[in-house]
Amino acid sequence: GEEVAQTPKHLVRGEGQKAKLYCAPIKGHSYVFWYQQVLKNEFKFLISFQNENVFDETGMPKERFSAKCLPNSPCSLEIQATKLEDSAVYFCASSRDREYSGNTIYFGEGSWLTVV
Amino acid sequence: SQQGEEDPQALSIQEGENATMNCSYKTSINNLQWYRQNSGRGLVHLILIRSNEREKHSGRLRVTLDTSKKSSSLLITASRAADTASYFCATDSGGSEKLVFGKGTKLTVNP
Repeated sequence: GEEVAQTPKHLVRGEGQKAKLYCAPIKGHSYVFWYQQVLKNEFKFLISFQNENVFDETGMPKERFSAKCLPNSPCSLEIQATKLEDSAVYFCASSRDREYSGNTIYFGEGSWLTVV
Repeated sequence: SQQGEEDPQALSIQEGENATMNCSYKTSINNLQWYRQNSGRGLVHLILIRSNEREKHSGRLRVTLDTSKKSSSLLITASRAADTASYFCATDSGGSEKLVFGKGTKLTVNP
């Protein structure tokens, strides 16, 4: 597709429940990124993939967060045992190989997670 | 830690005026990008400027980059009410490809 597609747009979970978010990158893009935006301003990098391989996971909380990008499937971000502080907008983004596009990164519309 | 820091945090202008937003960063970069975020929406890519470039234009947008001062500015000329949004700068450095964002400037253009 020509845009980064994220689902669901909105998700409400009770504390302790699991949340799973999906992302389909732009066709032909080999890098996928997940970012967390809290309080409508700060963006926190979580993880990136180069194709199906984890490229950089320095932003991922170790205990409850996991992510995958498998061939022929949407990428996913899963939060086990959600906490109130996980409430945020989760953005997925993608880009082509660096040398081709100068690393322009395109973002999806985000998935709004509310933990109650 | 935040790499880019925008100022001002909020800016309110009248339609037709120019809006200038600034961004400072701390470490060497490969590229700097500006994004717009309308309320409740995703990020829209505006412009990318590479570390070896000093100025770039796109329509009513003009971006400058001063690597010696580690700063960039985004100028929106002849602003419109539809330009009302938050504007973020984001930098990437090293080989990680990830972007590090500033906290954004909230621009309000009054009709």
